[in-house]
Amino acid sequence: DAGVIQSPRHEVTEMGQEVTLRCKPISGHNSLFWYRQTMMRGLELLIYFNNNVPIDDSGMPEDRFSAKMPNASFSTLKIQPSEPRDSAVYFCASSFGPSYEQYFGPGTRLTVT
Amino acid sequence: DAKTTQPTSMDCAEGRAANLPCNHSTISGNEYVYWYRQIHSQGPQYIIHGLKNNETNEMASLIITEDRKSSTLILPHATLRDTAVYYCIVRGGLVDAGGTSYGKLTFGQGTILTVHP
Repeated sequence: DAGVIQSPRHEVTEMGQEVTLRCKPISGHNSLFWYRQTMMRGLELLIYFNNNVPIDDSGMPEDRFSAKMPNASFSTLKIQPSEPRDSAVYFCASSFGPSYEQYFGPGTRLTVT
Repeated sequence: DAKTTQPTSMDCAEGRAANLPCNHSTISGNEYVYWYRQIHSQGPQYIIHGLKNNETNEMASLIITEDRKSSTLILPHATLRDTAVYYCIVRGGLVDAGGTSYGKLTFGQGTILTVHP
């Protein structure tokens, strides 16, 4: 199995630009999670989808952040407009079901200048 | 979810067993103990989980005390590749709008395990 796939692996952008992060979950998994990791705040859950439906978005920092899951094999996390404080590593994880163990992707390192 | 307490850092000699402790004194009856690790510049990796019985898999063993207030992750023969941050997480069940149990993973600061030659 290829595991969770994320793209791009690295993204450098200027403040004010739109950023789109992509995730392909493990085939057959119906739960998907987006996390953000920074030195200051550690690893935080941003949003959780079950069967392509957003269930818990209480971790999304503000309206500049949005996430979609148009089908079972693809999800996006969008930041518009981006700000320097959004710089972090963003991880996507998937699981067979909402309470099963989660498998993480390699992450996208975002730098906003 | 119950909070956990782990040592900030630990050292272990290569080939020896690494025993990583975790306190979770406020754990409730339906909450599981999960262990993940994060090797530098990689995503977190699931290791093992348990409710009240000891568990073993190809990666590690998990020993949970009878009162469930603490647990120990054991890597039986540590290698240099086991150097990582190890997270102990107590995971409960939340019922979402659809009535499906959803156990949120809340990562703390973890234990930095350094395996040295």
